[in-house]
Amino acid sequence: GQNIDQPTEMTATEGAIVQINCTYQTSGFNGLFWYQQHAGEAPTFLSYNVLDGLEEKGRFSSFLSRSKGYSYLLLKELQMKDSASYLCAVRDSNYQLIWGAGTKLIIKP
Amino acid sequence: IAGITQAPTSQILAAGRRMTLRCTQDMRHNAMYWYRQDLGLGLRLIHYSNTAGTTGKGEVPDGYSVSRANTDDFPLTLASAVPSQTSVYFCASSDSGLAGADTQYFGPGTRLTVL
Repeated sequence: GQNIDQPTEMTATEGAIVQINCTYQTSGFNGLFWYQQHAGEAPTFLSYNVLDGLEEKGRFSSFLSRSKGYSYLLLKELQMKDSASYLCAVRDSNYQLIWGAGTKLIIKP
Repeated sequence: IAGITQAPTSQILAAGRRMTLRCTQDMRHNAMYWYRQDLGLGLRLIHYSNTAGTTGKGEVPDGYSVSRANTDDFPLTLASAVPSQTSVYFCASSDSGLAGADTQYFGPGTRLTVL
């Protein structure tokens, strides 16, 4: 079966750095996506990785290791508005997205 | 530019009733998707369409049907609603659905309660 694992909930302090991990087992791999979802809202795209390594985009970075079936999302200089759920999704051999259940990130002052 | 709109925003429905959730996009995207999101579970794909005139089944298609008569609209129909279909439903679209960094853009969602 296909499986995406990420922690259910994490807590971090405003101004700090947090790393959200995602491990996956899927039938095929055609890219990994991270989305942000604020409570009661739609998911919005954050990042895309298809090759191994780190992709940096402002305060957010995403890393991928295809051999380990592993990715992480790194959020720097945390702000209160970063409180949200972060969804990891893998595009499988059928080019469909398989989604993790999401990590709820709580930012404390 | 509105992006993707969904209607209704929320709905309470009696079991056994028929219901159509509407989705319209103005980005001229080829591919469209319907997901349901339940607490503790990831988004699950119900049906998708890679281009107007074609549709496909996702992970959880039973009890749902879709049509794609044109590029912009992708309605989802529950023929006879059951309580297990209580969920938040998201419509999404993407440019090609097939390759590359094909980002999916989501509508605001419809919160459906079946009693």
